[in-house]
Amino acid sequence: DTEVTQTPKHLVMGMTNKKSLKCEQHMGHRAMYWYKQKAKKPPELMFVYSYEKLSINESVPSRFSPECPNSSLLNLHLHALQPEDSALYLCASSQEGNTPTGTQYFGPGTRLLVL
Amino acid sequence: AQSVTQLGSHVSVSEGALVLLRCNYSSSVPPYLFWYVQYPNQGLQLLLKYTSAATLVKGINGFEAEFKKSETSFHLTKPSAHMSDAAEYFCAVMVNRDDKIIFGKGTRLHILP
Repeated sequence: DTEVTQTPKHLVMGMTNKKSLKCEQHMGHRAMYWYKQKAKKPPELMFVYSYEKLSINESVPSRFSPECPNSSLLNLHLHALQPEDSALYLCASSQEGNTPTGTQYFGPGTRLLVL
Repeated sequence: AQSVTQLGSHVSVSEGALVLLRCNYSSSVPPYLFWYVQYPNQGLQLLLKYTSAATLVKGINGFEAEFKKSETSFHLTKPSAHMSDAAEYFCAVMVNRDDKIIFGKGTRLHILP
């Protein structure tokens, strides 16, 4: 089973709202990732949790904050977003974490629209 | 620095024809290479990966790719295109001791009836 689940599938929020995206995997993977994907572009890495240590893409604004309650769950908390943050947010996980052969398995994504 | 270049942002082939999607990589150390497919409004699905074992890698849905170190290439092929193959395809590289994947810009595959 290589399933990564994400909820919700779609989300519309205003710029003053606070919302969270959720990601879950039950494959025993020790690394989980958040990506942002704009239309007709490749995914861009936002955050990595590998063996419970967080790595951040320095270009990601602080209005995005990840949380890893346990090794199976990864949340992305959203606050005071801007319209340009509208995108597909993809979660991924990998078994090997920070070893070279880690294959990342992706969830279906959450389509976010910020008004 | 590591990078991936996909030649052709759009490729059109007739149903039943050969599919060839090109990917060239740049890496100072032996890379790990991946092809992912993304259908409309979906996440990415792993097609196949190269991790320094066999240079010819077979994946799902009849796709395969060959790692050619001399050409720094990892082109994706399928002998006979099917309408269901229409999607966006991403080539990606992962470098030793680093679990960050670097994606190419993607190639949109169109299948003509």
